[in-house]
Amino acid sequence: DAKTTQPNSMESNEEEPVHLPCNHSTISGTDYIHWYRQLPSQGPEYVIHGLTSNVNNRMASLAIAEDRKSSTLILHRATLRDAAVYYCILRDENNQGGKLIFGQGTELSVKP
Amino acid sequence: DTEVTQTPKHLVMGMTNKKSLKCEQHMGHRAMYWYKQKAKKPPELMFVYSYEKLSINESVPSRFSPECPNSSLLNLHLHALQPEDSALYLCASSQDISAGVANEQFFGPGTRLTVL
Repeated sequence: DAKTTQPNSMESNEEEPVHLPCNHSTISGTDYIHWYRQLPSQGPEYVIHGLTSNVNNRMASLAIAEDRKSSTLILHRATLRDAAVYYCILRDENNQGGKLIFGQGTELSVKP
Repeated sequence: DTEVTQTPKHLVMGMTNKKSLKCEQHMGHRAMYWYKQKAKKPPELMFVYSYEKLSINESVPSRFSPECPNSSLLNLHLHALQPEDSALYLCASSQDISAGVANEQFFGPGTRLTVL
């Protein structure tokens, strides 16, 4: 399974944009990039996913580098509720196992 | 209803006890998962069920015994656990086990297990 590298922690101010980076230099052509987050005392929740093109949804945007060796999750206006651990996960399109292999993630704190 | 429920929320058990964790979803999902999460660590996959059949066992010790009695329910039977098995046990479900689309996994809040 291809590996991802994320900073251990990041800080943000409320109502400011947050850019959470993820490196995945060994990504293969069939790996999708998924992001999940885990709020305190909750199970993880899906945020967004993409393959090659940038993606937007109601929660966030995903910017994928042209060579796909890195990606950035963008929260456009951080709120206190966005304080969580954010996980960047590679998932092989050919993977029939349903596996999600979580890395260490980035713990995001949001200051009022 | 996009909720995965888990019971109990907390469980304390001795090393000789037998207990069970329960997970339920009513989203019509045909894949269900058990994860284990130690404090300050990411979740680790334990088991995957696909259409009520065990699809993946990530070399989990036999003192953990999963069961999927129907498409909505997933149990994890516990017997002769060790103190190092104390952790948060998370259940998840997804449409199925295929990749290629989001096929997002929906997680329950977990059961916090303490083994004395």
